[in-house]
Amino acid sequence: EVVLTQSPGTLSLSPGERATLSCRASQSISSTYLAWYQQKFGQTPRLLIYGASSRATGIPDRFSGSGSGTDFILSITRLEPEDFAVYYCQHYGTAPWTFGQGTKVEI
Amino acid sequence: EVQLMQSGAEVKKPGESLIISCSASGYTFTNYWIGWVRQMPGKGLEWMGIIYPSDSDTKYSPSFQGQVTISADKSIGTAFLQWNSLQASDTAIYYCTRAPYDWSPPVDSWGQGTLVTVSS
Repeated sequence: EVVLTQSPGTLSLSPGERATLSCRASQSISSTYLAWYQQKFGQTPRLLIYGASSRATGIPDRFSGSGSGTDFILSITRLEPEDFAVYYCQHYGTAPWTFGQGTKVEI
Repeated sequence: EVQLMQSGAEVKKPGESLIISCSASGYTFTNYWIGWVRQMPGKGLEWMGIIYPSDSDTKYSPSFQGQVTISADKSIGTAFLQWNSLQASDTAIYYCTRAPYDWSPPVDSWGQGTLVTVSS
């Protein structure tokens, strides 16, 4: 089972700043099968990025993903007020799929 | 319009059984995977498993294998998540998700979630 470790646990930033979130896998995984989700309080999660760097439908271009092997990054340029949320990375493709524990981006 | 409509909130006692459902509409049910995700109160997302309704190919997380059963009924376009004996630790929101056959993307639609509360 691939264990995903996200860091930091909490990121305190201001609107307009850049956020860099890390996701480290316990073993090398194909970048084809790494995704990022956003979840706001009380809401259903939303897919942001899949295949490590492909934006999902309707996701603004201030969200970008990168990485390969065991290290993956979600970047959010110019944080908007609606971007303050919890972000999860996910390994998929080969079962079991797994989620990281989440990074909270707070003001 | 693609919709995944989940059954309503449940309150059960420990030891009771439960089946919750995810009714799909707006697409060909057998052409997409249906997955289940657990979120315990105040906690993160946990992948439970996934089923391909066309052939009932099912994959489980080791954490949930033997604890729940994932199934699907092609005739009514509905997937199910079943417990034989609930525990208090099963208290959570359960989401169903949809994914295309090639998992690209891994989720393209979510159900609204079903809150399951297990308490004596």
